[in-house]
Amino acid sequence: KNEVEQSPQNLTAQEGEFITINCSYSVGISALHWLQQHPGGGIVSLFMLSSGKKKHGRLIATINIQEKHSSLHITASHPRDSAVYICAPGSSNTGKLIFGQGTTLQVKP
Amino acid sequence: EPEVTQTPSHQVTQMGQEVILRCVPISNHLYFYWYRQILGQKVEFLVSFYNNEISEKSEIFDDQFSVERPDGSNFTLKIRSTKLEDSAMYFCASSAEGYEQYFGPGTRLTVT
Repeated sequence: KNEVEQSPQNLTAQEGEFITINCSYSVGISALHWLQQHPGGGIVSLFMLSSGKKKHGRLIATINIQEKHSSLHITASHPRDSAVYICAPGSSNTGKLIFGQGTTLQVKP
Repeated sequence: EPEVTQTPSHQVTQMGQEVILRCVPISNHLYFYWYRQILGQKVEFLVSFYNNEISEKSEIFDDQFSVERPDGSNFTLKIRSTKLEDSAMYFCASSAEGYEQYFGPGTRLTVT
């Protein structure tokens, strides 16, 4: 069983839709990253959170440490949000990230 | 805004050759990481480095791999004798205390 499970694996949305990506993990963590990877490969950190909720623009991330679950929400989605979104819990000892498979999001105009 | 840089952006090498991938982390960061992503697969942890020594390494990081921080600014990953299966995108990352990691743009390594 994978240590990090994301759902859905692929998601197609119409511009303006509200999007949710879910992440469940089985490892003990200190914090969890949500990352964005565009075609061409670069990785950008969107959020690091260890409890509760964070908001940045149209992006919202939540985490429930007890249930080992996190969600990433995108409000008013836009075609430029099209990318792979990756959940990556961080090891409590060394900070290494354990990556999920990613969710490929396509937002159509 | 400070950023992590990596060179080269693309490296092509022949099987059995040594390669060195270079990274310049953000200047006040103390924790350094290498990850790799084989085409079509998820990103995998290779090694973490803190206080001039390896703090953790994965099963992938065998004797063919080594890391070094030779001059206080660069952070290098060396593969001594490359194999076809080493072909991947290699990402360097760095962080300050508290674990938020900043990633470099990656080096695409192609082993022929």
